[in-house]
Amino acid sequence: AQSVTQLGSHVSVSEGALVLLRCNYSSSVPPYLFWYVQYPNQGLQLLLKYTSAATLVKGINGFEAEFKKSETSFHLTKPSAHMSDAAEYFCAVSYVGGGADGLTFGKGTHLIIQP
Amino acid sequence: ETGVTQSPTHLIKTRGQQVTLRCSSQSGHNTVSWYQQALGQGPQFIFQYYREEENGRGNFPPRFSGLQFPNYSSELNVNALELDDSALYLCASSLGGGAADTQYFGPGTRLTVL
Repeated sequence: AQSVTQLGSHVSVSEGALVLLRCNYSSSVPPYLFWYVQYPNQGLQLLLKYTSAATLVKGINGFEAEFKKSETSFHLTKPSAHMSDAAEYFCAVSYVGGGADGLTFGKGTHLIIQP
Repeated sequence: ETGVTQSPTHLIKTRGQQVTLRCSSQSGHNTVSWYQQALGQGPQFIFQYYREEENGRGNFPPRFSGLQFPNYSSELNVNALELDDSALYLCASSLGGGAADTQYFGPGTRLTVL
């Protein structure tokens, strides 16, 4: 079975500071990894995904994530936080051949941006 | 290009009733997945439909059922509603049913069971 752990249900950073949201996964087969963002009262929007090509993945809005197999991690970063980044962020995993099993999500990290 | 749409936006039901939620896929997408998101939690996979057939299901009881129509729109039906069914229900469409395919989410339907 696969699972996702997001460390820190809430992360607070100052505007302009580095954003680091942590995600660790558990999968017995090669994973596909995703980061989604959810703004209040909205659905989920894909930020980026890893599908076994380059381990450093660049996404929208200046976000990027690095797949580290040895650490089973896929942390999300952004060099400089903006007020508009305040939202809920979800890490999700699927696996090769497991398309019909849907995505397995973490519990989410609420990102707070302080002025 | 029209994105994924869901209706209704909000719904209030009482315990024991039945509910139907609707989803229109993004143009060209033949796969629809449904998720339940309880307050403060990540979405949980309910089931997936590919070309009108259910081809995957999460850990949800049979009173959660669905349909996909020839135009790839979809319905989620929940019978015998329980208080714990109160949640945001998200529909996502994708170009195919592959694990690497990006799922595009709708805004969700907020269901409250009293």
